[in-house]
Amino acid sequence: GAVVSQHPSRVICKSGTSVKIECRSLDFQATTMFWYRQFPKQSLMLMATSNEGSKATYEQGVEKDKFLINHASLTLSTLTVTSAHPEDSSFYICSARVIGYNSPLHFGNGTRLTVT
Amino acid sequence: AQSVSQHNHHVILSEAASLELGCNYSYGGTVNLFWYVQYPGQHLQLLLKYFSGDPLVKGIKGFEAEFIKSKFSFNLRKPSVQWSDTAEYFCAVTTSGTYKYIFGTGTRLKVLA
Repeated sequence: GAVVSQHPSRVICKSGTSVKIECRSLDFQATTMFWYRQFPKQSLMLMATSNEGSKATYEQGVEKDKFLINHASLTLSTLTVTSAHPEDSSFYICSARVIGYNSPLHFGNGTRLTVT
Repeated sequence: AQSVSQHNHHVILSEAASLELGCNYSYGGTVNLFWYVQYPGQHLQLLLKYFSGDPLVKGIKGFEAEFIKSKFSFNLRKPSVQWSDTAEYFCAVTTSGTYKYIFGTGTRLKVLA
């Protein structure tokens, strides 16, 4: 089956620093990748849609300059949390799908970010 | 705006008990419906999906879900749960012509051995 690898699984960083999270589709080409954020006891909130070779589409309320998304190839998308603050601490999950909006999503294992 | 509601946040069952997890969505148009499962320490995995046709959908591991259009519901069922079904279950919806998945808040199921 389709596998999505997300790295790192956990990261602790100091306030003001930047953190990069990678999302790779290992055995399929993902034209579209999605980045979600999950708060405790809440649903997955879509942050942005990443399309290979073009700018990401951000959801309302998500700061583009804080959450930089790059989708440089059909198998890799990165999310960089810039100038991280404690309120950015959360669980970030990437997902990917093959062409077609009916295709199910394949999820990475998520990244637990803690900003101290 | 579209939304997905999962009314049961925590469910505790004994093995062999029957399971039904509720999922309701708000959208008047054509929808695609999904149930995802997240086992402890693992990533979200697709359990089953509904696009069209027979409203009773069978998924992996003995799970099934029924799409009732008049009730805007897509409840997940399993006749007899096992300890290994302990996980968090998410209902999700995409609407016709969009790429966006809208997730419910999830239901944490604990099955007692």
